[in-house]
Amino acid sequence: ETGVTQSPTHLIKTRGQQVTLRCSSQSGHNTVSWYQQALGQGPQFIFQYYREEENGRGNFPPRFSGLQFPNYSSELNVNALELDDSALYLCASSPPLAGNIPDTQYFGPGTRLTVL
Amino acid sequence: GESVGLHLPTLSVQEGDNSIINCAYSNSASDYFIWYKQESGKGPQFIIDIRSNMDKRQGQRVTVLLNKTVKHLSLQIAATQPGDSAVYFCAENGHQGSSNTGKLIFGQGTTLQVKP
Repeated sequence: ETGVTQSPTHLIKTRGQQVTLRCSSQSGHNTVSWYQQALGQGPQFIFQYYREEENGRGNFPPRFSGLQFPNYSSELNVNALELDDSALYLCASSPPLAGNIPDTQYFGPGTRLTVL
Repeated sequence: GESVGLHLPTLSVQEGDNSIINCAYSNSASDYFIWYKQESGKGPQFIIDIRSNMDKRQGQRVTVLLNKTVKHLSLQIAATQPGDSAVYFCAENGHQGSSNTGKLIFGQGTTLQVKP
């Protein structure tokens, strides 16, 4: 069974540029969530995708957007990068939802984004 | 709003001793909690979870205790080993009213240092 994978592992961009980060969910998982983790902090929820649609969003501006594909993989896009966007971006996948019952989210290794 | 907090940013223990990491949460409607371990440069790794219909759950060398009365949970690690050195996060499943939002709300993390 393959776990959650993310690419690239590291990325350096300059302010104002755009970036796309990629995530492949764990086998059998159809829900993908994205988190931003600043240095020394806990992860902060960005949004979640389920059945290729956004299924909840945290307190992040619209320049953070995402996609989920039929194979459940996902992308996180960030436009007009700012210095404060420098962080570890984590993707987590979870099994199919059973009603309103929450389930475990399994994290990938993350993508370290540095904005100069 | 919802928040999750840990009592101590750093915990230092002797190898072989038991470790106890504490966490407080604010939302009495929270019904699912997860402990994650994060090593340097890696994504959070699932350790153990507990639902609100339980007070205690045991895994291999780990026990999670949930006290809903005071909104507190703890992670106990038996016979702590050098490989247990990491940052530990508790996470709570976010709610909007009675609905599961699908997002995890993380605390700041406790750094566990194991002395040989």
